[in-house]
Amino acid sequence: DQQVKQNSPSLSVQEGRISILNCDYTNSMFDYFLWYKKYPAEGPTFLISISSIKDKNEDGRFTVFLNKSAKHLSLHIVPSQPGDSAVYFCAANRDNAGNMLTFGGGTRLMVKP
Amino acid sequence: KAGVTQTPRYLIKTRGQQVTLSCSPISGHRSVSWYQQTPGQGLQFLFEYFSETQRNKGNFPGRFSGRQFSNSRSEMNVSTLELGDSALYLCASSLQPTNEKLFFGSGTQLSVL
Repeated sequence: DQQVKQNSPSLSVQEGRISILNCDYTNSMFDYFLWYKKYPAEGPTFLISISSIKDKNEDGRFTVFLNKSAKHLSLHIVPSQPGDSAVYFCAANRDNAGNMLTFGGGTRLMVKP
Repeated sequence: KAGVTQTPRYLIKTRGQQVTLSCSPISGHRSVSWYQQTPGQGLQFLFEYFSETQRNKGNFPGRFSGRQFSNSRSEMNVSTLELGDSALYLCASSLQPTNEKLFFGSGTQLSVL
């Protein structure tokens, strides 16, 4: 069963506007969440993370929101830039589980100039 | 600082053969994780090593194995290759195996014919 789901396989946004990528999870044991960005022919690159004790974490243009009761997190990119075009993966982990991440299926973001 | 290095970049094998993939983590990083990426299953955790010990293992058959050396370099081996093993194999490293952001290599693209 997919414990981490990204229901939108793709998203298209105009440059300068907000991009919102969504992720849902089912395992209530998850308490640490991360977002990675992946360009073709490269490995994923860490973007931002959030612990379950927080509901928001911000880093520059990137903000992650966590709604534990809904088991939902979202990544906001403001303003979106063409260089943000990539596949975005959300991932989840449990405490004391090392780096055993469970990834969502990814969302392809296209930012149009 | 050099990033995570994976060799080889591409591999073509036939069914029944075995393959060994190599990963050199970022200098000073002692935790190494392996992930498999396929179009159908997405990114899936294979195993994690820290200080030459396997800490966690994903839900993969025993044909998939790995090890870590005293210099933190890691190898993974797949024996009796099947067509379904065709995938991008990603290695990631971190300082500690404690919910840290992972630094991924560019991966080894394995094709099984």
